[in-house]
Amino acid sequence: NAGVTQTPKFQVLKTGQSMTLQCAQDMNHEYMSWYRQDPGMGLRLIHYSVGAGITDQGEVPNGYNVSRSTTEDFPLRLLSAAPSQTSVYFCASIKRVGGDTEAFFGQGTRLTVV
Amino acid sequence: KQEVTQIPAALSVPEGENLVLNCSFTDSAIYNLQWFRQDPGKGLTSLLLIQSSQREQTSGRLNASLDKSSGRSTLYIAASQPGDSATYLCAVLSNDYKLSFGAGTTVTVRA
Repeated sequence: NAGVTQTPKFQVLKTGQSMTLQCAQDMNHEYMSWYRQDPGMGLRLIHYSVGAGITDQGEVPNGYNVSRSTTEDFPLRLLSAAPSQTSVYFCASIKRVGGDTEAFFGQGTRLTVV
Repeated sequence: KQEVTQIPAALSVPEGENLVLNCSFTDSAIYNLQWFRQDPGKGLTSLLLIQSSQREQTSGRLNASLDKSSGRSTLYIAASQPGDSATYLCAVLSNDYKLSFGAGTTVTVRA
């Protein structure tokens, strides 16, 4: 059981380049989300999904796109990278069993935009 | 919008002292509260999970309480060790399945 897997772990982009951060979970969780972590600001929600085919914006969605074609995968796309998108990105999935819930996180992607 | 605040932002204690980390949140409509540990440059490690119907959880030297009505949680770490040095994050899962995080408490335990 791999849990939540993010790739790549590290990435350097030039301003204006595009890329996709991959996130996959093998726990059949309906809810998945993307966060960015910046120094002193905690983790902030970028986009989230409550199931295949359904996505919505979080707190800081500008500059990012998502799609959810399967339960397992939730990729995050940067269309035109900017230095302000230099951050650590975390993907999470949420288990829901009866009335109990729990969040699981990937190991993160450290992105630098130069 | 859920707002999560952690106090203090940083804490430095001698080895052996007990640690008390505080977390407060503004909306009591939550599913659960999780405490995470994060080492520099690393990912999030889940420490304790408290469902909304529970009052506390314990794991070894760690104990976390939850008072949903007042919007507060406290993480206690007994007999601190240098290996406890890390940043501790509090996260609240609201009823719309959005996780909201505090900015964290950075703990330094001096040998």
